Amino acid sequence: NAGVTQTPKFQVLKTGQSMTLQCAQDMNHEYMSWYRQDPGMGLRLIHYSVGAGITDQGEVPNGYNVSRSTTEDFPLRLLSAAPSQTSVYFCATSGGLSYNEQFFGPGTRLTVL
Amino acid sequence: KNEVEQSPQNLTAQEGEFITINCSYSVGISALHWLQQHPGGGIVSLFMLSSGKKKHGRLIATINIQEKHSSLHITASHPRDSAVYICAVWGGATNKLIFGTGTLLAVQP
Repeated sequence: NAGVTQTPKFQVLKTGQSMTLQCAQDMNHEYMSWYRQDPGMGLRLIHYSVGAGITDQGEVPNGYNVSRSTTEDFPLRLLSAAPSQTSVYFCATSGGLSYNEQFFGPGTRLTVL
Repeated sequence: KNEVEQSPQNLTAQEGEFITINCSYSVGISALHWLQQHPGGGIVSLFMLSSGKKKHGRLIATINIQEKHSSLHITASHPRDSAVYICAVWGGATNKLIFGTGTLLAVQP
């Protein structure tokens, strides 16, 4: 089992460009989420999904879109990249809410110039 | 004030020392997680607690629900324990984790 995979590992964008960060899991988990990690701050939730076809906003959703057409995939789209979106992005999954172990992908380091 | 506070923010220890990292939270929770992140690396789950105490090898995690406080202990610390340790809680009324800012631990040989 691959667990949680994220692509790409590294990405450099110019301001205004768009791109999609991919997240896939093979554990049949219902709950998937995207976080960003910035120096000196805790992980912050961008968007999450409690199952295919269901998504909701987290703490910092502006500038990002998500969709969940399958259980396995949860892509994060940057619509028009800005330098403030320079960060490390983590995808995470769990079998359910609350009392379920969290599994994190390896992260994507994004730089927006 | 952050809903999840960790202390200390930075900790340097000598190999073999007993280490304690603290986490206090201000919201009602249904579960608390301790996570580990090595430099430049991914994040792995160490513990998930809703009450009492759990032990995995040299790591022990405790939680006091009434005092809204959890501790992560490392016995006989080793340089390979050097990492950022992150506390996160499931807010009782929300579908999301709330994270502390992490404790950077360096264990020197």
